[in-house]
Amino acid sequence: NAGVTQTPKFQVLKTGQSMTLQCAQDMNHEYMSWYRQDPGMGLRLIHYSVGAGITDQGEVPNGYNVSRSTTEDFPLRLLSAAPSQTSVYFCASSSSYEQYFGPGTRLTVT
Amino acid sequence: AQSVTQLGSHVSVSEGALVLLRCNYSSSVPPYLFWYVQYPNQGLQLLLKYTSAATLVKGINGFEAEFKKSETSFHLTKPSAHMSDAAEYFCAVSDLSGGSYIPTFGRGTSLIVHP
Repeated sequence: NAGVTQTPKFQVLKTGQSMTLQCAQDMNHEYMSWYRQDPGMGLRLIHYSVGAGITDQGEVPNGYNVSRSTTEDFPLRLLSAAPSQTSVYFCASSSSYEQYFGPGTRLTVT
Repeated sequence: AQSVTQLGSHVSVSEGALVLLRCNYSSSVPPYLFWYVQYPNQGLQLLLKYTSAATLVKGINGFEAEFKKSETSFHLTKPSAHMSDAAEYFCAVSDLSGGSYIPTFGRGTSLIVHP
């Protein structure tokens, strides 16, 4: 099992560009979520999904879109990147209360 | 609603000294509680979890935590710090009150271990 995989590992964007952060899991987990990690702020929930076709907003959803067409994949879309979206992004999956995290994507918006 | 407070953004100890990382939670229903560890440039991994069984929970690498309902606390301890314990530690709570297992994380405590 690969667990939770994220691509790319690093990305630099210019303000206004769009991009998609990929997340995939091979554990057949129902729940998937996206977090951003900023210094001193811990992990903040962006969006989450409780199953294919079902998504909901977390604490900091503005500027991000998600969809979940399959159990395995949960991409995060940045519609128009802003410097405030410079962060490390983590995807996680779970079947119950224990979260399994991907290695993260470090995004810089200039 | 669920929330977590980690006291101290940085904790510094000498190698061999006791490690104590503090976590207090707020939950309207019986919670599940977790400690995760993040080593530099890596994702988070589960250190230990409380799921309403024994109140003293043992985890990996010699860490343990005690659930104290009366104090709404779930502090993480290790009797003797090792240099390899230097990392960021996150406390998290999940109580299903929102209809899902998605946890809420604290802001993290950076553990610094001096030789």
